[in-house]
Amino acid sequence: DQQVKQNSPSLSVQEGRISILNCDYTNSMFDYFLWYKKYPAEGPTFLISISSIKDKNEDGRFTVFLNKSAKHLSLHIVPSQPGDSAVYFCAAYGSSNTGKLIFGQGTTLQVKP
Amino acid sequence: EPEVTQTPSHQVTQMGQEVILRCVPISNHLYFYWYRQILGQKVEFLVSFYNNEISEKSEIFDDQFSVERPDGSNFTLKIRSTKLEDSAMYFCASRDRGRRTEAFFGQGTRLTVV
Repeated sequence: DQQVKQNSPSLSVQEGRISILNCDYTNSMFDYFLWYKKYPAEGPTFLISISSIKDKNEDGRFTVFLNKSAKHLSLHIVPSQPGDSAVYFCAAYGSSNTGKLIFGQGTTLQVKP
Repeated sequence: EPEVTQTPSHQVTQMGQEVILRCVPISNHLYFYWYRQILGQKVEFLVSFYNNEISEKSEIFDDQFSVERPDGSNFTLKIRSTKLEDSAMYFCASRDRGRRTEAFFGQGTRLTVV
């Protein structure tokens, strides 16, 4: 049951360039999306979120875009830094209102110096 | 900065044994969760807990699993009789009031069943 999908398992970019991580979802009832970053041997760390009433949310170097008609969101990191190298998870709150998160498979980002 | 803490960081147990994974959520949070990540797979929801009761559980969370908030600070996940396939990273998370607030995760407990 892959309601949240990240089709790119990995992405490699040069330091200073833009990183674009993509995420698709299938359930039109989802109304809040989050991005988490995860380093090895650590738990996921919240990065940025977006409500379905918006199409963009920005926080410093991180911007999330939401295209509801396409059921697609993306995370842009500009400029990318080597410390951004991690696994990035897209997640959505399930429709049950319990706060259950449904995660994508993750994309491993490598930022090369 | 407040954080979710989990103990132990790594637990090795024999198949069939009981394990208890412990978590201390952020103190003023109201919603508590357990997730797990089998190596190489996605993070999966196990259970949510609010107002001293389970509010939702996944198919994975069968009768072998239970959760408890024995006092005002700890939140535990018990696996009664561990199986090899229970080997995974287990993450505790907590969330403040509000319909759409972000969940904060602990650093995880790596459970290895041998």
